[in-house]
Amino acid sequence: GAGVSQTPSNKVTEKGKYVELRCDPISGHTALYWYRQSLGQGPEFLIYFQGTGAADDSGLPNDRFFAVRPEGSVSTLKIQRTERGDSAVYLCASSLRGGKDTQYFGPGTRLTVL
Amino acid sequence: DQQVKQNSPSLSVQEGRISILNCDYTNSMFDYFLWYKKYPAEGPTFLISISSIKDKNEDGRFTVFLNKSAKHLSLHIVPSQPGDSAVYFCAASGRAGTASKLTFGTGTRLQVTL
Repeated sequence: GAGVSQTPSNKVTEKGKYVELRCDPISGHTALYWYRQSLGQGPEFLIYFQGTGAADDSGLPNDRFFAVRPEGSVSTLKIQRTERGDSAVYLCASSLRGGKDTQYFGPGTRLTVL
Repeated sequence: DQQVKQNSPSLSVQEGRISILNCDYTNSMFDYFLWYKKYPAEGPTFLISISSIKDKNEDGRFTVFLNKSAKHLSLHIVPSQPGDSAVYFCAASGRAGTASKLTFGTGTRLQVTL
């Protein structure tokens, strides 16, 4: 079956611009996660959705970052006033019910802020 | 503050030999540990996990050992195969409200040579 998909695969933007990154989770998965992986680091947790609601957004670095999941499936990560330090691979994952259920990752979106 | 540490950035092993990847953690609230494997331009793929109530879990060629008193876990791959060449991430999660939030190490690049 289809895995987690993310679009675009690559995004280049200029400092100060707004970007949206999209994630399509595995069908039927109620839990969705966003992580960010900077060069040489492991993935870093950003936010976790259970259904339509953000159950844990403790990893969002500041208020320029926002994520939504309005219908409990597709999610969009939104970054306002991008900064060069936002350059990273943004990974999305989904799991069946959350908790300790296995998280399945998408291929990521590589964001480059010039 | 790196709560999950992988102190070896890289490891080279001959085909057929055992690969041992190590991971240390500092947060005593972690009770579930996982290993993910990552190929270039792909998202991390779940490999194997272990609960803190166990000290060993085995799945085919992969075995994870957990030493809670030392806050240390290791992944053993035997025999190693060229297709095992990838970056391996150790991850951990806690109880209840933090069960879904994975904390990753910085990864170990394994190269299996012929």
